[in-house]
Amino acid sequence: ELKVEQNPLFLSMQEGKNYTIYCNYSTTSDRLYWYRQDPGKSLESLFVLLSNGAVKQEGRLMASLDTKARLSTLHITAAVHDLSATYFCAATTSGTYKYIFGTGTRLKVLA
Amino acid sequence: DTGVSQDPRHKITKRGQNVTFRCDPISEHNRLYWYRQTLGQGPEFLTYFQNEAQLEKSRLLSDRFSAERPKGSFSTLEIQRTEQGDSAMYLCASSGRVGGARFDGTQYFGPGTRLTVL
Repeated sequence: ELKVEQNPLFLSMQEGKNYTIYCNYSTTSDRLYWYRQDPGKSLESLFVLLSNGAVKQEGRLMASLDTKARLSTLHITAAVHDLSATYFCAATTSGTYKYIFGTGTRLKVLA
Repeated sequence: DTGVSQDPRHKITKRGQNVTFRCDPISEHNRLYWYRQTLGQGPEFLTYFQNEAQLEKSRLLSDRFSAERPKGSFSTLEIQRTEQGDSAMYLCASSGRVGGARFDGTQYFGPGTRLTVL
C-alpha cells in the first residue's frame, strides 16, 4: 500500500534563507503533486510532476522528482513571509487516481 | 465556472444524528473525490467517482458513511449515527480534462465542510 512521508513536519525559517522539504513515497508512483494550504483554507495546487527528473518552478518555489529514489523535493529560495503555510505532497498508485497525501510540512517564515 | 463548491460550510450536530454534505465539482470534471482532514494531518482519502461510478472506497470508511453521485455531476456524502470521532473537515475535489488541455490529474479542492459532533 502506498505511503507518503514528509519531513520536516515543522519548519521555522528566517526570511531570505533557503530550505528544502522532502517527500518520500513507498511504492511506484507515476504522478507527484504539491499543494499549499493556508490556515482555515482549502488546498491550492502548486506543482504536478509526471516523470523522472521533472523540475517545475514558480517564483521562489521549485519542485523536483526522482522516481528511482521515490523522492520529491520542494525547494524554497530566499523565503518571504507570504510563503508561510502548510505544504503537502501527494502521490498516486500507478494506474489509479487514488491520491495519498503526506502529513504536511508547516512552514513559518519569520521576518 | 467558479470552482468546486461545498455546502454547508459548517455543520454542528449531536452525536447519533445523520448529516449530509453536498459537493458541486467543476462542471467539466468527470472525477470527484471526498477526503477527511483532521487538525494537523493531511487529507485522508475516503472515496472517488468517475462520472457516476464509485470506483474506490477507503476501508477506513465505515458502513455509516455513504457517498453518491447520481448523475455524474454533484455528489453527496452522508454520515449516519455520527460519533464525536467524525468531527473533521470534509473536503471535496474534482479533476478532469477541460477542453483540449492535457489531463495531468491535478485536483481542485472545494472550501470544505467543517463538521463538529457534540
